[in-house]
This record gives sequence, C-alpha cells and structure tokens, in this order.
Amino acid sequence: DAKTTQPPSMDCAEGRAANLPCNHSTISGNEYVYWYRQIHSQGPQYIIHGLKNNETNEMASLIITEDRKSSTLILPHATLRDTAVYYCIVRALPPQGAQKLVFGQGTRLTINP
Amino acid sequence: NAGVTQTPKFRILKIGQSMTLQCTQDMNHNYMYWYRQDPGMGLKLIYYSVGAGITDKGEVPNGYNVSRSTTEDFPLRLELAAPSQTSVYFCASSSTGGGSNEQFFGPGTRLTVL
Repeated sequence: DAKTTQPPSMDCAEGRAANLPCNHSTISGNEYVYWYRQIHSQGPQYIIHGLKNNETNEMASLIITEDRKSSTLILPHATLRDTAVYYCIVRALPPQGAQKLVFGQGTRLTINP
Repeated sequence: NAGVTQTPKFRILKIGQSMTLQCTQDMNHNYMYWYRQDPGMGLKLIYYSVGAGITDKGEVPNGYNVSRSTTEDFPLRLELAAPSQTSVYFCASSSTGGGSNEQFFGPGTRLTVL
C-alpha cells in the first residue's frame, strides 16, 4: 500500500477555503486517494475519493496532480463544524472483497472564528 | 435508517475480565469491520467480515475474536482483557462491489481496562 504524508496540523479562518495537502509518491496505478475525517472522537466520515481526475461533491473538492504523487482536499468555505482530523488514505478499489483502510495520524484542522 | 449502531458507549473492565462489543447495521451491507483507535493515533483494523459466516484477521487481531452469524450483526469478543486493550473501538460497514466502497462508521465504544 502506498504511504501517505500529511502535515500534523493546520489552521484556517472561518469562511475561507481550507486546503489540506497529502503526499503519496509511491502510489500505484490502480490505487485511489480517499479522504475521511473524524470530528471530535466520533466515527470517521467519508468525504471524497478519486483516481486521477479532479472530483467534487457537496462536501469538498479533490485535486490530484497529473503524476498522482500528491493531492489536495479543498473545503471551499470552511465552517467551525469542519474542525476535525482529516485522513488521506491510498488504497486499491477491490472488485470483490473488503477494503481494509489504513489510517495514518492525519491532519488536525482547526477552523478559527 | 439508524446506520451502524454500537453498544455499549462506555465500559470499564478489570484485567482478566471478558466482554462482547455489539455492532449492528441496517443497510444490508455485506462487509463489516472492527477498528481500534489508541489516543492520538489513527485507526487500526482488528477483524473484518465479507459476509455471514466469513471473517478474517486484520492488522491487530490478537486478544480478540469475532463471529458473523447474520448480515446485520458483527460482535467483537475480548477474552482476558488487558490494559493494552484500552482504546476506542469502531465498527464499520460497506456495500459490495463497485462504487466508492465508502465505509460507514458507528459512534464507537470507549473501553478502559484497569
């Protein structure tokens, strides 16, 4: 599995865009980039995933570099409720079988009023 | 839909005691997982199941057992509790095949072993 590197912590002002980076220089061609977040010791929550194209949903945007060695999760208008630990995970999407997620220590994002 | 539910929310055990952490999902997901999270760390996979009657070990299975007799339930059994098992335990489920394989997590069980 590709390893990921994330900054341990980041701050962002409320209403601004929060940009969370993730390095995954050893990513394989069949591996996806997933983002989950964990708000204050709750269970993790899926945010978004992508293979090589940029992706957007109602929660966030995911920008993956052309060489796929890094990506950025963007929360376009951060609110106080976005304060959480954000995990970048690189895994293959199994055609059959369980997807065993490997969580690193993530980035603790603090949104300041 | 309740999603993934876990009981109990909190539990204190004495060394050597045993207990079962309950996990139920109402989304008809075939895949279910147990993770543990130690303070300040990411989650680690304990066991997982791909369907009723089928389970397999994850990264940190020692000291735990699981069973999967129904699609909905995936209990985690701790035998002979040890202080090293003090952790927060999360159960998750996901659907089969295509799509995002998004995992849905329960609220967790906070276990302390003294």
